[in-house]
Amino acid sequence: GQNIDQPTEMTATEGAIVQINCTYQTSGFNGLFWYQQHAGEAPTFLSYNVLDGLEEKGRFSSFLSRSKGYSYLLLKELQMKDSASYLCAVTDSNYQLIWGAGTKLIIKP
Amino acid sequence: IAGITQAPTSQILAAGRRMTLRCTQDMRHNAMYWYRQDLGLGLRLIHYSNTAGTTGKGEVPDGYSVSRANTDDFPLTLASAVPSQTSVYFCASSPGAPGNQFFGPGTRLTVL
Repeated sequence: GQNIDQPTEMTATEGAIVQINCTYQTSGFNGLFWYQQHAGEAPTFLSYNVLDGLEEKGRFSSFLSRSKGYSYLLLKELQMKDSASYLCAVTDSNYQLIWGAGTKLIIKP
Repeated sequence: IAGITQAPTSQILAAGRRMTLRCTQDMRHNAMYWYRQDLGLGLRLIHYSNTAGTTGKGEVPDGYSVSRANTDDFPLTLASAVPSQTSVYFCASSPGAPGNQFFGPGTRLTVL
């Protein structure tokens, strides 16, 4: 079967760095997405990785290792507005997105 | 409008009633999707359409139907609602499949 695992909840301090991990087992792989979802709102796109390595975009970076079925999202200089759920999603061999349940990130002052 | 709109924003529905959730996008995206999101389960794909005139079944299609008569609209119909269909429903679109998906604001549906 297809499976995506992420921690359910994480807590971090304002100004710090946090890494949210995602491991996946899917039928085929055609890319990995990270989305941010604030409570009561729709998911919004953060990053896309299809090749191994690190993609940096401002305070957010995303890493992929296809051989290990592993990705992480790194958030630097945390701000209170970063409190949200972070969703990992993998594109399978049918080019459909398989979604993880999301990681709720709580930022404390 | 810009992006994706969904209607209604929320709805309380009696079990057994028929309901259509509306979704319209103005980005001329080829692909559109319907998801439901339940606490602890993440987003689950109900139906999708890779281009106007075609539709496909996702992970949880039972009890739902869709149509894609044109590029912009992708309505989701519950023929006879049941309480297990209580959920938040998101419509999304992307330029192609899979692509970066853009989401509508969601419809919160409660079936009693």
